[in-house]
Amino acid sequence: DTGVSQDPRHKITKRGQNVTFRCDPISEHNRLYWYRQTLGQGPEFLTYFQNEAQLEKSRLLSDRFSAERPKGSFSTLEIQRTEQGDSAMYLCASTRGGGDTQYFGPGTRLTVL
Amino acid sequence: AQTVTQSQPEMSVQEAETVTLSCTYDTSESDYYLFWYKQPPSRQMILVIRQEAYKQQNATENRFSVNFQKAAKSFSLKISDSQLGDAAMYFCASQGGSEKLVFGKGTKLTVNP
Repeated sequence: DTGVSQDPRHKITKRGQNVTFRCDPISEHNRLYWYRQTLGQGPEFLTYFQNEAQLEKSRLLSDRFSAERPKGSFSTLEIQRTEQGDSAMYLCASTRGGGDTQYFGPGTRLTVL
Repeated sequence: AQTVTQSQPEMSVQEAETVTLSCTYDTSESDYYLFWYKQPPSRQMILVIRQEAYKQQNATENRFSVNFQKAAKSFSLKISDSQLGDAAMYFCASQGGSEKLVFGKGTKLTVNP
Protein backbone atom coordinates (compact mmCIF):
# COMPACT_ATOMS: atom_id res chain seq x y z
CA ASP A 1 0.00 0.00 0.00
CA THR A 2 1.80 3.06 -1.28
CA GLY A 3 -1.02 5.49 -0.61
CA VAL A 4 -2.74 7.96 -2.93
CA SER A 5 -0.31 9.95 -5.05
CA GLN A 6 -0.88 13.16 -6.98
CA ASP A 7 1.18 14.89 -9.63
CA PRO A 8 2.29 17.62 -9.83
CA ARG A 9 2.39 18.83 -6.24
CA HIS A 10 2.51 22.46 -7.31
CA LYS A 11 1.47 24.16 -10.54
CA ILE A 12 1.78 27.83 -11.42
CA THR A 13 0.10 28.92 -14.60
CA LYS A 14 -1.05 32.06 -16.35
CA ARG A 15 -4.70 32.91 -16.72
CA GLY A 16 -6.18 31.34 -19.82
CA GLN A 17 -3.85 28.35 -19.92
CA ASN A 18 -4.98 24.74 -19.61
CA VAL A 19 -3.72 22.51 -16.81
CA THR A 20 -4.01 18.80 -16.09
CA PHE A 21 -3.54 17.00 -12.79
CA ARG A 22 -3.11 13.30 -12.18
CA CYS A 23 -4.19 11.11 -9.29
CA ASP A 24 -3.12 7.51 -8.67
CA PRO A 25 -5.37 5.82 -6.10
CA ILE A 26 -4.52 2.98 -3.74
CA SER A 27 -4.36 -0.04 -6.03
CA GLU A 28 -7.37 -2.05 -4.81
CA HIS A 29 -9.64 0.98 -4.44
CA ASN A 30 -12.34 1.23 -7.08
CA ARG A 31 -13.77 4.60 -6.04
CA LEU A 32 -11.92 7.84 -6.65
CA TYR A 33 -12.94 11.34 -5.59
CA TRP A 34 -11.81 14.87 -6.44
CA TYR A 35 -12.19 17.77 -4.01
CA ARG A 36 -11.16 21.42 -4.10
CA GLN A 37 -9.93 23.27 -1.04
CA THR A 38 -9.50 27.04 -0.93
CA LEU A 39 -7.59 28.85 1.78
CA GLY A 40 -9.29 28.71 5.16
CA GLN A 41 -12.05 26.38 3.99
CA GLY A 42 -12.81 22.70 4.15
CA PRO A 43 -12.59 20.62 0.99
CA GLU A 44 -15.55 20.77 -1.40
CA PHE A 45 -16.62 17.82 -3.50
CA LEU A 46 -16.11 18.05 -7.25
CA THR A 47 -16.73 14.59 -8.72
CA TYR A 48 -16.29 10.88 -8.16
CA PHE A 49 -15.77 7.68 -10.11
CA GLN A 50 -16.57 4.07 -9.52
CA ASN A 51 -14.09 2.25 -11.70
CA GLU A 52 -14.19 4.15 -15.00
CA ALA A 53 -17.74 5.50 -14.58
CA GLN A 54 -18.17 9.09 -13.43
CA LEU A 55 -21.15 8.82 -11.10
CA GLU A 56 -21.62 12.32 -9.70
CA LYS A 57 -20.50 15.83 -10.55
CA SER A 58 -20.88 18.91 -8.39
CA ARG A 59 -22.29 22.08 -9.88
CA LEU A 60 -18.90 23.54 -8.88
CA LEU A 61 -17.54 21.61 -11.84
CA SER A 62 -18.12 24.12 -14.62
CA ASP A 63 -17.81 23.21 -18.28
CA ARG A 64 -14.15 24.25 -18.12
CA PHE A 65 -13.47 21.28 -15.86
CA SER A 66 -13.32 17.70 -17.05
CA ALA A 67 -12.29 14.54 -15.27
CA GLU A 68 -11.56 11.09 -16.59
CA ARG A 69 -10.60 7.73 -15.22
CA PRO A 70 -9.70 5.53 -18.16
CA LYS A 71 -9.52 1.81 -17.35
CA GLY A 72 -10.58 2.53 -13.80
CA SER A 73 -7.06 3.16 -12.56
CA PHE A 74 -5.53 6.65 -12.41
CA SER A 75 -7.62 9.76 -12.95
CA THR A 76 -6.95 13.12 -14.55
CA LEU A 77 -8.58 16.46 -13.84
CA GLU A 78 -8.25 19.09 -16.57
CA ILE A 79 -9.07 22.76 -16.22
CA GLN A 80 -9.34 24.69 -19.46
CA ARG A 81 -8.91 28.47 -19.77
CA THR A 82 -7.88 28.83 -16.14
CA GLU A 83 -9.12 31.79 -14.11
CA GLN A 84 -7.68 33.32 -10.96
CA GLY A 85 -10.62 31.89 -9.02
CA ASP A 86 -9.40 28.41 -9.87
CA SER A 87 -6.42 28.90 -7.53
CA ALA A 88 -6.84 26.25 -4.85
CA MET A 89 -5.59 22.92 -3.58
CA TYR A 90 -7.02 20.02 -5.58
CA LEU A 91 -7.31 16.88 -3.51
CA CYS A 92 -7.83 13.32 -4.63
CA ALA A 93 -9.11 10.52 -2.41
CA SER A 94 -9.85 6.84 -2.91
CA THR A 95 -11.79 4.11 -1.15
CA ARG A 96 -12.87 0.52 -1.63
CA GLY A 97 -16.56 1.21 -1.40
CA GLY A 98 -19.42 3.19 -0.03
CA GLY A 99 -19.08 4.09 3.63
CA ASP A 100 -15.44 3.10 3.74
CA THR A 101 -12.83 5.63 4.78
CA GLN A 102 -11.58 7.91 2.04
CA TYR A 103 -7.79 8.15 1.94
CA PHE A 104 -6.42 11.42 0.65
CA GLY A 105 -3.42 12.25 -1.47
CA PRO A 106 -1.08 15.18 -0.79
CA GLY A 107 -2.92 17.44 -3.21
CA THR A 108 -1.94 19.65 -6.13
CA ARG A 109 -1.68 23.32 -5.30
CA LEU A 110 -2.69 25.44 -8.30
CA THR A 111 -1.80 29.11 -8.55
CA VAL A 112 -3.25 31.07 -11.46
CA LEU A 113 -1.48 34.37 -12.11
CA ALA B 1 -28.56 18.39 1.56
CA GLN B 2 -25.99 17.73 4.24
CA THR B 3 -24.31 20.51 6.17
CA VAL B 4 -21.52 20.44 8.73
CA THR B 5 -20.79 23.30 11.11
CA GLN B 6 -17.65 23.81 13.17
CA SER B 7 -18.21 26.83 15.38
CA GLN B 8 -14.65 27.14 16.70
CA PRO B 9 -12.28 28.59 14.08
CA GLU B 10 -9.35 28.27 16.51
CA MET B 11 -8.63 26.43 19.73
CA SER B 12 -5.55 26.11 21.90
CA VAL B 13 -4.51 23.61 24.55
CA GLN B 14 -1.56 23.07 26.81
CA GLU B 15 0.57 20.02 26.17
CA ALA B 16 -0.73 17.00 28.15
CA GLU B 17 -4.15 18.63 28.68
CA THR B 18 -7.49 17.67 27.13
CA VAL B 19 -9.36 19.63 24.47
CA THR B 20 -12.75 19.16 22.83
CA LEU B 21 -13.55 20.30 19.30
CA SER B 22 -17.21 20.86 18.43
CA CYS B 23 -19.12 19.81 15.35
CA THR B 24 -22.80 19.83 14.48
CA TYR B 25 -24.32 18.45 11.33
CA ASP B 26 -27.61 18.25 9.53
CA THR B 27 -28.75 15.43 7.29
CA SER B 28 -31.98 13.86 6.14
CA GLU B 29 -30.31 10.49 5.64
CA SER B 30 -31.08 7.65 7.99
CA ASP B 31 -27.78 5.89 7.32
CA TYR B 32 -24.63 7.99 7.37
CA TYR B 33 -21.07 8.18 8.62
CA LEU B 34 -19.17 10.87 10.47
CA PHE B 35 -15.46 11.54 10.40
CA TRP B 36 -12.78 13.70 11.92
CA TYR B 37 -9.80 14.39 9.67
CA LYS B 38 -6.53 16.09 10.62
CA GLN B 39 -4.57 18.27 8.19
CA PRO B 40 -1.13 19.32 9.51
CA PRO B 41 0.45 22.41 7.90
CA SER B 42 1.49 21.65 4.31
CA ARG B 43 0.76 17.98 4.80
CA GLN B 44 -1.97 15.68 3.62
CA MET B 45 -5.29 15.02 5.27
CA ILE B 46 -5.40 11.93 7.44
CA LEU B 47 -8.26 10.18 9.19
CA VAL B 48 -8.45 10.61 12.95
CA ILE B 49 -11.65 8.76 13.78
CA ARG B 50 -14.79 7.38 12.12
CA GLN B 51 -18.30 6.81 13.49
CA GLU B 52 -21.16 4.86 11.93
CA ALA B 53 -24.41 6.62 12.77
CA TYR B 54 -26.22 3.35 13.49
CA LYS B 55 -23.78 2.52 16.26
CA GLN B 56 -24.65 3.97 19.64
CA GLN B 57 -21.21 3.36 21.09
CA ASN B 58 -18.83 6.28 20.73
CA ALA B 59 -15.74 5.58 18.64
CA THR B 60 -12.30 5.78 20.24
CA GLU B 61 -8.79 5.64 18.81
CA ASN B 62 -6.08 5.81 21.46
CA ARG B 63 -6.09 9.42 22.76
CA PHE B 64 -8.94 10.44 20.45
CA SER B 65 -12.60 9.86 21.24
CA VAL B 66 -15.92 11.25 20.09
CA ASN B 67 -19.12 12.23 21.82
CA PHE B 68 -21.82 11.32 19.30
CA GLN B 69 -25.24 12.71 20.18
CA LYS B 70 -27.47 11.53 17.33
CA ALA B 71 -30.67 13.29 18.41
CA ALA B 72 -28.82 16.58 18.82
CA LYS B 73 -26.81 15.97 15.62
CA SER B 74 -23.62 16.67 17.48
CA PHE B 75 -20.25 14.99 16.95
CA SER B 76 -17.46 16.41 19.09
CA LEU B 77 -13.85 15.23 19.20
CA LYS B 78 -11.95 14.91 22.47
CA ILE B 79 -8.16 14.80 22.41
CA SER B 80 -6.62 13.60 25.66
CA ASP B 81 -3.00 14.08 26.74
CA SER B 82 -2.43 16.57 23.90
CA GLN B 83 0.91 16.39 22.15
CA LEU B 84 2.79 18.94 20.06
CA GLY B 85 2.21 16.75 17.02
CA ASP B 86 -1.54 17.17 17.41
CA ALA B 87 -1.28 20.76 16.18
CA ALA B 88 -3.19 20.93 12.89
CA MET B 89 -6.44 21.87 11.21
CA TYR B 90 -9.20 19.47 12.20
CA PHE B 91 -12.13 18.92 9.88
CA CYS B 92 -15.41 17.29 10.73
CA ALA B 93 -17.14 15.57 7.81
CA SER B 94 -20.29 13.61 7.08
CA GLN B 95 -21.04 11.07 4.39
CA GLY B 96 -24.47 9.88 3.37
CA GLY B 97 -25.82 7.86 0.49
CA SER B 98 -24.34 10.19 -2.10
CA GLU B 99 -20.85 8.96 -1.18
CA LYS B 100 -19.24 12.41 -1.11
CA LEU B 101 -17.80 13.84 2.06
CA VAL B 102 -19.25 17.14 3.24
CA PHE B 103 -16.75 19.05 5.37
CA GLY B 104 -16.99 21.81 7.93
CA LYS B 105 -14.73 24.85 7.71
CA GLY B 106 -12.26 23.42 10.18
CA THR B 107 -10.80 24.23 13.58
CA LYS B 108 -7.16 25.23 13.90
CA LEU B 109 -5.69 23.57 16.98
CA THR B 110 -2.58 25.00 18.60
CA VAL B 111 -0.73 22.99 21.24
CA ASN B 112 1.33 25.07 23.64
CA PRO B 113 4.42 23.52 25.28
